[in-house]
Amino acid sequence: NAGVTQTPKFQVLKTGQSMTLQCAQDMNHEYMSWYRQDPGMGLRLIHYSVGAGITDQGEVPNGYNVSRSTTEDFPLRLLSAAPSQTSVYFCASSSSVGGYTVFGPGTRLTVL
Amino acid sequence: AQRVTQPEKLLSVFKGAPVELKCNYSYSGSPELFWYVQYSRQRLQLLLRHISRESIKGFTADLNKGETSFHLKKPFAQEEDSAMYYCALRNAGGTSYGKLTFGQGTILTVHP
Repeated sequence: NAGVTQTPKFQVLKTGQSMTLQCAQDMNHEYMSWYRQDPGMGLRLIHYSVGAGITDQGEVPNGYNVSRSTTEDFPLRLLSAAPSQTSVYFCASSSSVGGYTVFGPGTRLTVL
Repeated sequence: AQRVTQPEKLLSVFKGAPVELKCNYSYSGSPELFWYVQYSRQRLQLLLRHISRESIKGFTADLNKGETSFHLKKPFAQEEDSAMYYCALRNAGGTSYGKLTFGQGTILTVHP
């Protein structure tokens, strides 16, 4: 099992550019989430999904879109990047069958 | 609203000394509590979950519902314990099962 994988590992964008952060899991987990990690603020939930075709907003959803067309994939789209979106982004997945949340390796994004 | 508080941003101890990382939470339902550890620039890894009541790498944590706390303890700290530690809370059921609420994190440094 590869677990949770994310691409790219690093990305630099200019203000106004758009991009998609990719996330995939091979554990057949029904729940998937995106978090951003900022110094002094811990991890904050951006969006999450309880299954294919179902998504919902988290604590800080503005400026981000998600979709979940398959169980395995949960891409995060930045529509028009802003410097405030400079952060480390973690994708995560979990199962309702007695599981805990597993995290991807993270994507370090810088918006200039 | 649920909240997790880790009052110490930084914690420094010497090797062999006891260490306690504090975590307090507020939640009206039935929560699950976790400790995650993040070594330098790596992904978050599960350290402990309260329902397991196990000891991992010498760490233990007991859920105290009266004090709404889930402090992490280790009797003899090691240099390899130096890392960022996050306390996190999850709703024990329902469609919020995939969501985690994190504390701000505590950076533990163990000096030789």
